[in-house]
Amino acid sequence: AQSVTQLGSHVSVSEGALVLLRCNYSSSVPPYLFWYVQYPNQGLQLLLKYTSAATLVKGINGFEAEFKKSETSFHLTKPSAHMSDAAEYFCAVSEGQAGTALIFGKGTTLSVSS
Amino acid sequence: DADVTQTPRNRITKTGKRIMLECSQTKGHDRMYWYRQDPGLGLRLIYYSFDVKDINKGEISDGYSVSRQAQAKFSLSLESAIPNQTALYFCATSDSGAGVYGYTFGSGTRLTVV
Repeated sequence: AQSVTQLGSHVSVSEGALVLLRCNYSSSVPPYLFWYVQYPNQGLQLLLKYTSAATLVKGINGFEAEFKKSETSFHLTKPSAHMSDAAEYFCAVSEGQAGTALIFGKGTTLSVSS
Repeated sequence: DADVTQTPRNRITKTGKRIMLECSQTKGHDRMYWYRQDPGLGLRLIYYSFDVKDINKGEISDGYSVSRQAQAKFSLSLESAIPNQTALYFCATSDSGAGVYGYTFGSGTRLTVV
């Protein structure tokens, strides 16, 4: 069965600093991987997804993630944090294209200080 | 109008009461899901439905039931609410390629059981 582990429930960075949110997955078949963002009092919004094409995936708001099969990782990065990036971020995995349902990690809260 | 609409947005109910959370969508998607979000636990799958006649239990279905009234409507019921069902509930939809396209989420229903 697939699973997702997000390392670090809370990450704090200064404005302009690099953002790195970690996600490791477990899947018995080639995975499809997603990052979602949740702003306060809102639903979840898709940031980016990996679906077996390019291993470096670019998403919205300057975020990107790299799929590394050897490390079973799909870490989310952004070169320069902005105050508006403060939110909760969820990594999710699906077992292939026809996966039954997305399995989510426990989330990482990103705080950005000025 | 939102693609996925959840009602109510907020609800306070008493222990032992029956309550229904409703979800409707205009995406034309076949698949619909109910998740609950708890701080530090991420999103956990309660039930999912691939079409009107196909309903499946998720990870944490005990104490919940669902009804797929039409392709566009998927309701979640708590037959006898208890305090540990206090949570943020999300409805999500996807087409058959959930592993490729991911989900569209509603804005959530915040349920408090007192």
